[in-house]
Amino acid sequence: EPEVTQTPSHQVTQMGQEVILRCVPISNHLYFYWYRQILGQKVEFLVSFYNNEISEKSEIFDDQFSVERPDGSNFTLKIRSTKLEDSAMYFCASNGQGYNEQFFGPGTRLTVL
Amino acid sequence: KNQVEQSPQSLIILEGKNCTLQCNYTVSPFSNLRWYKQDTGRGPVSLTIMTFSENTKSNGRYTATLDADTKQSSLHITASQLSDSASYICVVTPSGGSYIPTFGRGTSLIVHP
Repeated sequence: EPEVTQTPSHQVTQMGQEVILRCVPISNHLYFYWYRQILGQKVEFLVSFYNNEISEKSEIFDDQFSVERPDGSNFTLKIRSTKLEDSAMYFCASNGQGYNEQFFGPGTRLTVL
Repeated sequence: KNQVEQSPQSLIILEGKNCTLQCNYTVSPFSNLRWYKQDTGRGPVSLTIMTFSENTKSNGRYTATLDADTKQSSLHITASQLSDSASYICVVTPSGGSYIPTFGRGTSLIVHP
């Protein structure tokens, strides 16, 4: 069964460093998303991406964040200069069309020291 | 501000018993409501998706109901199993310009043998 994959599973970085979180969505999907979940809190939407451009972004997704689909398979989230409060689980998700089921990846746990 | 409130916060039941989880939302206009199951440390998995015109949707032992007039939804789990132990999250997506979903904090369900 096709699934969304994410690497790495756990990333530890120093405050101020750049990190790139990687995702491989399901191959025939068209819509891609990043979410984050701070430990013990609810999932929060970061950004949606369609047709090689950002569709929507939340207030969390400021200038420190960027997304890219560098090739036909990967979808990346870059945090330019990490802060302590960026520590969270980051989930990538994808779906085919409209209201179709969104498939989430297993997440990358980012720890900023 | 769009809000999604879930109750109870946590629930403990015995294996084989039924339970019902509640979700109240203020999101308007409303596009769709989704219920997800999230195991600890994993990504959410979709259980049901309902548009504003649907009243009920089933997926095996999971049945979701929606009352768009009162802005309430419920998730009923029948004949619970130990593997049902997880967090159950209600997610509401608006329509009319923005499709940024609002997540509830989830109900933590523990099924005891």
